[in-house]
Amino acid sequence: QKEVEQDPGPLSVPEGAIVSLNCTYSNSAFQYFMWYRQYSRKGPELLMYTYSSGNKEDGRFTAQVDKSSKYISLFIRDSQPSDSATYLCAIGDSNYQLIWGAGTKLIIKP
Amino acid sequence: GAVVSQHPSWVICKSGTSVKIECRSLDFQATTMFWYRQFPKQSLMLMATSNEGSKATYEQGVEKDKFLINHASLTLSTLTVTSAHPEDSSFYICSANLGPSNQPQHFGDGTRLSIL
Repeated sequence: QKEVEQDPGPLSVPEGAIVSLNCTYSNSAFQYFMWYRQYSRKGPELLMYTYSSGNKEDGRFTAQVDKSSKYISLFIRDSQPSDSATYLCAIGDSNYQLIWGAGTKLIIKP
Repeated sequence: GAVVSQHPSWVICKSGTSVKIECRSLDFQATTMFWYRQFPKQSLMLMATSNEGSKATYEQGVEKDKFLINHASLTLSTLTVTSAHPEDSSFYICSANLGPSNQPQHFGDGTRLSIL
């Protein structure tokens, strides 16, 4: 079992839809949680970063962490074609080592 | 704006050539930088952690003599792929923490390396 599981997709939704992207993890020692967006042939761009369980909102993006279920989510409201990219979750442990999800390819259809 | 700059963005060279990739932190000092490799449609694979003023820490299975890392200043780390071969063709990306180790990593735009 991988330490971080993420469905690679692709996930295809119509423009304007709410998108839900998810990762599960196995180690309860993981302490901080990040979501990155990566466009083709570009480096990952940090979208959201959180330590604690609960929700964190930034514009159209909401990151949700449920430590009891070892489950994290990224929601995108009012999705746009420009949101089409690969979304990677990254989870950090107490030694500041990052474990990466496989990335989910998201396609927003106009 | 970008906080980590990576150069070159794309390089094509002949087999047997050594290639150097630069990673610079912009407007901040990075005592630690990270080098990743990414194959098409795959996630990031950490190759090594670059520490200013000391030897890099390589991940298991990464050849130290093949991938030379130098972090001679607080704003520059370099990765040199020595005697590159076609199987070394990949997307190489560097990152740095803006602050303490528990802060998120910020990434450069990557270098696409193609070995003929």
